[in-house]
Amino acid sequence: EIQLQESGPGLVKPSQSLSLTCSVTGYTITSGYDWSWIRKFPGNKMEWMGYISYSGSTNYNPSLKSRISITRDTSKNQFFLQLNSVTTEDTATYYCASALGARFAYWGQGTLVTVSS
Amino acid sequence: DVQMTQSLSYLAASPGESVSISCKASKSISNYLAWYQQKPGEAYKLLIYSGSTLQSGTPSRFSGSGSGTDFTLTIRSLEPEDFGLYYCQQYYEKPLTFGSGTKLEIK
Repeated sequence: EIQLQESGPGLVKPSQSLSLTCSVTGYTITSGYDWSWIRKFPGNKMEWMGYISYSGSTNYNPSLKSRISITRDTSKNQFFLQLNSVTTEDTATYYCASALGARFAYWGQGTLVTVSS
Repeated sequence: DVQMTQSLSYLAASPGESVSISCKASKSISNYLAWYQQKPGEAYKLLIYSGSTLQSGTPSRFSGSGSGTDFTLTIRSLEPEDFGLYYCQQYYEKPLTFGSGTKLEIK
């Protein structure tokens, strides 16, 4: 079974970069699926941030396009999120998920990231 | 962007009852609609895709209907484990967008 696990700092200062790792087990990220980052804000609003495909191509939400980068390390079967110039409005629970046909069949448990000085 | 609206943010029902959760898209999305369940401490679970197709492992008491702009998730004969947050998501076009969520509480 595919399992995903997010990791990274729980606290980031405003104007800095947020960096998260998603470790995948049970499946090789170059075999298929699109590997996404999704976040849930306080109050339950959810936002798809973007994905890196099994072939390495990326697709980002235009609302974040200038600040986001999703990369991967195929040797470690991990993919990464970097979000630059964060503000308090980026405080959210961040999830990694795998998508087939743009529907998310497997999710990590999520990691809370607070942006605060 | 396609806006997804779940008009009910909260719903309470008793075990054995049936409930329906609605989701409305700001434009036609055909049947490119998925439903998810989130329970505290657990990963999100894909319940239904293509508007009405049950994901493997989804109990048959769950059903989805609708196409175009109006969709409904129905849970027949509620079980206590059905409490949680329910979201719809469109995948007709990018950016992928989610509804605002409906919290189902079991009385």
